[in-house]
Amino acid sequence: EDKVVQSPLSLVVHEGDTVTLNCSYEVTNFRSLLWYKQEKKAPTFLFMLTSSGIEKKSGRLSSILDKKELFSILNITATQTGDSAVYLCAGVRQGGSEKLVFGKGTKLTVNP
Amino acid sequence: GAGVSQTPSNKVTEKGKYVELRCDPISGHTALYWYRQSLGQGPEFLIYFQGTGAADDSGLPNDRFFAVRPEGSVSTLKIQRTERGDSAVYLCASSPPGRAGELFFGEGSRLTVL
Repeated sequence: EDKVVQSPLSLVVHEGDTVTLNCSYEVTNFRSLLWYKQEKKAPTFLFMLTSSGIEKKSGRLSSILDKKELFSILNITATQTGDSAVYLCAGVRQGGSEKLVFGKGTKLTVNP
Repeated sequence: GAGVSQTPSNKVTEKGKYVELRCDPISGHTALYWYRQSLGQGPEFLIYFQGTGAADDSGLPNDRFFAVRPEGSVSTLKIQRTERGDSAVYLCASSPPGRAGELFFGEGSRLTVL
């Protein structure tokens, strides 16, 4: 059975700090790893990573995938209170079903 | 509307009752997904449609759960003989052609079974 494990489960930081969120995966016939941000109800898409070692960046957020060690990290620099959310990581297989297997998420709280 | 629309946003029902949850995806999105999320957990896959057909229903927990998408657009998740353990937020998402994995989620339907 496919599995995605995120750590830490929760994290509290001060504005301006840099954080690193971790995601390890065991996905048969792995194709991609995805990151989502869930602030209240609807998760919103952040990144899709398919190739190892290529960093994806969007503003203060960046992410990279290591397909040899089966993990990904999400970095957030100069955190702001608006970054407070649950960050979800998900893996998806090649071919067939497009179902995403999610981890439990990391709850990030950024205090002013 | 521009986003994925789910109704009702909240549903409270009694154990043993039948419920229907509706999802209206983004126009043009061929893929539609249902997930279930309990407090403190990530979304749990239920079923995935490509067009009108259920391409993968391996996440449906038992035969009390059923979903349809008769015209390839709106989908309905149906739960028979509800149990307290069915209480959760039911999330629907859609995805455009060629961008598998990039899901656009609705706000969810919170189901409470008393």
